[in-house]
Amino acid sequence: GAVVSQHPSRVICKSGTSVKIECRSLDFQATTMFWYRQFPKQSLMLMATSNEGSKATYEQGVEKDKFLINHASLTLSTLTVTSAHPEDSSFYICSANQGAVETEAFFGQGTRLTVV
Amino acid sequence: GDSVTQMEGPVTLSEEAFLTINCTYTATGYPSLFWYVQYPGEGLQLLLKATKADDKGSNKGFEATYRKETTSFHLEKGSVQVSDSAVYFCALSDQLTGGGNKLTFGTGTQLKVEL
Repeated sequence: GAVVSQHPSRVICKSGTSVKIECRSLDFQATTMFWYRQFPKQSLMLMATSNEGSKATYEQGVEKDKFLINHASLTLSTLTVTSAHPEDSSFYICSANQGAVETEAFFGQGTRLTVV
Repeated sequence: GDSVTQMEGPVTLSEEAFLTINCTYTATGYPSLFWYVQYPGEGLQLLLKATKADDKGSNKGFEATYRKETTSFHLEKGSVQVSDSAVYFCALSDQLTGGGNKLTFGTGTQLKVEL
C-alpha cells in the first residue's frame, strides 16, 4: 500500500515555543491531507483538512492561528503548533487519500507532542 | 453530527479465543464503515471496510457486517493470535456530511492476546 511518513515521531518542547510536524506522501500525490489529534482514551478528532495550494479547512473549535497548516506541494503538509502550552500535549496524526472520494486513507505514524 | 461508539478496552484474551469488539454509529447520511488497526509504534492501517448495508468486510481472519437496522459494525475473529495485539479503531465516512474522505473515529479498543 501507499506510504505516509510523519516526522518527528516524538517531540518535547518548552512552553511558548513552536513545533512543526511534517506529513509526507512518499509514493503518491495527495491534493488533500487530514490532521487529527488524539487525547488519551479518546477518539481521533479531525482538526483540519489540508488542501494543496489553498487554505486549510478547520473544524469547529480548532484555532487557526494556533495550528498553522501549510500544504505547499502535492506530497507535503506541515502542522505548526504555535506558542505551545502544556494543554497542547497530545498525539497528532495525519492521513492522505490516494485518489478521489471514498478511497483508502493512509496514515502517518503519528507524533507525540509533550509541552513542558 | 456523526459519531462512533466502541467498547472500551483493554480486552485481554488467550490465544485462539473468539474476539468481538462492538461498534455502533450514528450518521446523517449513508456512511461507509471501517475498521483500522494500529500496531505498537506504527500508524493506523485499514483492516477492512463495508460501504453499504449488509456488506461484510473481511481481512486476515477478521470480519464485520454492516447492519443498518442496528447501526452496528462489530468486529469478530474466530481465533486470535498474539500478533493480533494492537489498538482497533472503528470509523465511518459520511458522503453527505463529510465529503467522503473525512473519517469519524471511535475511541479505539486495545486488544491484548496472551499465550
